[in-house]
Amino acid sequence: GAVVSQHPSWVICKSGTSVKIECRSLDFQATTMFWYRQFPKQSLMLMATSNEGSKATYEQGVEKDKFLINHASLTLSTLTVTSAHPEDSSFYICSASPGGAKAFFGQGTRLTVV
Amino acid sequence: SQQGEEDPQALSIQEGENATMNCSYKTSINNLQWYRQNSGRGLVHLILIRSNEREKHSGRLRVTLDTSKKSSSLLITASRAADTASYFCATDWGGTASKLTFGTGTRLQVTL
Repeated sequence: GAVVSQHPSWVICKSGTSVKIECRSLDFQATTMFWYRQFPKQSLMLMATSNEGSKATYEQGVEKDKFLINHASLTLSTLTVTSAHPEDSSFYICSASPGGAKAFFGQGTRLTVV
Repeated sequence: SQQGEEDPQALSIQEGENATMNCSYKTSINNLQWYRQNSGRGLVHLILIRSNEREKHSGRLRVTLDTSKKSSSLLITASRAADTASYFCATDWGGTASKLTFGTGTRLQVTL
């Protein structure tokens, strides 16, 4: 099956700093990738759609200036949490698909802002 | 919110028993999928059922879909301790097929 790799698995950062999370499709090309956020014991909420070569599409209520998405190649999307605050602490997870409805997810990144 | 709901929120059973989880959603869909998530990990795809299908099987998994009621169920037969995880349904409803809306999830605990 298709493999999506996410890095890092976990990160701790200080308030006010920025953190970059990478999402790679290892064995397929993805013109579109998705970023989700999951708070403890809750479901996944879609944050944004990452589009290769163009601007990301953000869901309502998600600050695009805070969550910067770059999809510079067909195998890599990055999510940068800028000026992180403790309330940004969460589990961030990306997905991609080689085609069709079946999505493949990265391992997720647990972000803790202290 | 487009998020669907699942019930029960939590389910505790003994090994060997069957586990049934239900999912309801709000909009018309193209596909409904079930995913499994072990604590703090990524999601593993279990099964996909299309809107024109009513039932699908994969190993010990059985999924049903009732589009008139906007609901689906996941049955895990002969459960094992290793089935302990959270289970989520996810729907796509047009546009990009792999853009998913997730249900609230069911936490399944299978004890020995």
